[in-house]
Amino acid sequence: DSGVTQTPKHLITATGQRVTLRCSPRSGDLSVYWYQQSLDQGLQFLIQYYNGEERAKGNILERFSAQQFPDLHSELNLSSLELGDSALYFCASSVGAGGQFFGPGTRLTVL
Amino acid sequence: GENVEQHPSTLSVQEGDSAVIKCTYSDSASNYFPWYKQELGKGPQLIIDIRSNVGEKKDQRIAVTLNKTAKHFSLHITETQPEDSAVYFCAAEVRFGAGTRLTVKP
Repeated sequence: DSGVTQTPKHLITATGQRVTLRCSPRSGDLSVYWYQQSLDQGLQFLIQYYNGEERAKGNILERFSAQQFPDLHSELNLSSLELGDSALYFCASSVGAGGQFFGPGTRLTVL
Repeated sequence: GENVEQHPSTLSVQEGDSAVIKCTYSDSASNYFPWYKQELGKGPQLIIDIRSNVGEKKDQRIAVTLNKTAKHFSLHITETQPEDSAVYFCAAEVRFGAGTRLTVKP
């Protein structure tokens, strides 16, 4: 158990819909990262937050957005969902820059 | 942007043998190189990392080497065991390689 929690574990929705994925980092970790893992794309870095502020941006689509709240939990919002958005979404946390601890992931299926 | 190449994509070894996975990166500004192990149905788990001011680091049966000039780094697992079977990812900062599926045959 990494100490990072993600909800929900599974999410099934339809194209065009919007969903919110939630992540709680390890106690004391200020950085939160979001990744997308699909079969043909590997682990793709989406975005990083540090203590509530956006720190780095990766291959995140304009339809996706994220935020980190004062209690340090984070949410990833995915809108106008497409079939290709079906994937595992991982959240990870770290104290600062450095080794990340990954949550168990949310499996999103878009039908 | 950063590009991380990882080889091989699959690796099968006999129990007790060594396994080596190699990665190259493109961004010379990268300073942090972690390795993760991902078992089926789980999130990646950090197993070892190295920073750019160090050339080699060892933790029991696992070692990493870094050649910053050549922009490549490697993971070495010695005395492999069946429980080492998993997918291994290298990363340069937050950019991940495509993964290596390691199978250790008893």
